[in-house]
Amino acid sequence: DARVTQTPRHKVTEMGQEVTMRCQPILGHNTVFWYRQTMMQGLELLAYFRNRAPLDDSGMPKDRFSAEMPDATLATLKIQPSEPRDSAVYFCASGLVADGRRTNTGELFFGEGSRLTVL
Amino acid sequence: KNQVEQSPQSLIILEGKNCTLQCNYTVSPFSNLRWYKQDTGRGPVSLTIMTFSENTKSNGRYTATLDADTKQSSLHITASQLSDSASYICVVSDSYNNDMRFGAGTRLTVKP
Repeated sequence: DARVTQTPRHKVTEMGQEVTMRCQPILGHNTVFWYRQTMMQGLELLAYFRNRAPLDDSGMPKDRFSAEMPDATLATLKIQPSEPRDSAVYFCASGLVADGRRTNTGELFFGEGSRLTVL
Repeated sequence: KNQVEQSPQSLIILEGKNCTLQCNYTVSPFSNLRWYKQDTGRGPVSLTIMTFSENTKSNGRYTATLDADTKQSSLHITASQLSDSASYICVVSDSYNNDMRFGAGTRLTVKP
């Protein structure tokens, strides 16, 4: 049963600490997304990768957030230093998306999320 | 302004009743529109996908419609069940960059 796996599921930390969230996309998927969800903002795109290359990270505060894909089986989202306003649920999603301008109907498969609380 | 607007923001209905959720979009050029269901504490799961040539598509008690001319979609839930309580998110993709735009979602609560 293929699924996106995220760790940790829950994280409570103090302001100023480093937080690293990990995602294992579904094998064979070429696109990985990081989203943040809060009650106020809904789902916000932070970054996405296609074939491990970062395509868009304009939604991510670059001074403290970084996203990487060291290999095809692992995506990471790091916050350093963390702040209370970073408290949210962070979702990773993967999909098989056509390259270029071909129309695609690729479905996104979401992980269960990492709930982050920064005190 | 968000390119995908959903209404209502929240909705409460009694078990067994029907309801309709709306999604209006300005994403262009249009590729496809998906409705996702997100249970509390879980990740979103795709319910249906609508492409340009499709007007209606059903998935059990869920029926999605698409009017590409007016750029509107609806998700109709028939004979609601308690397990339908969730957030329903509309996601529209453009055919230029394959970018996906998310609506803010409609929070549906079904009460016994």
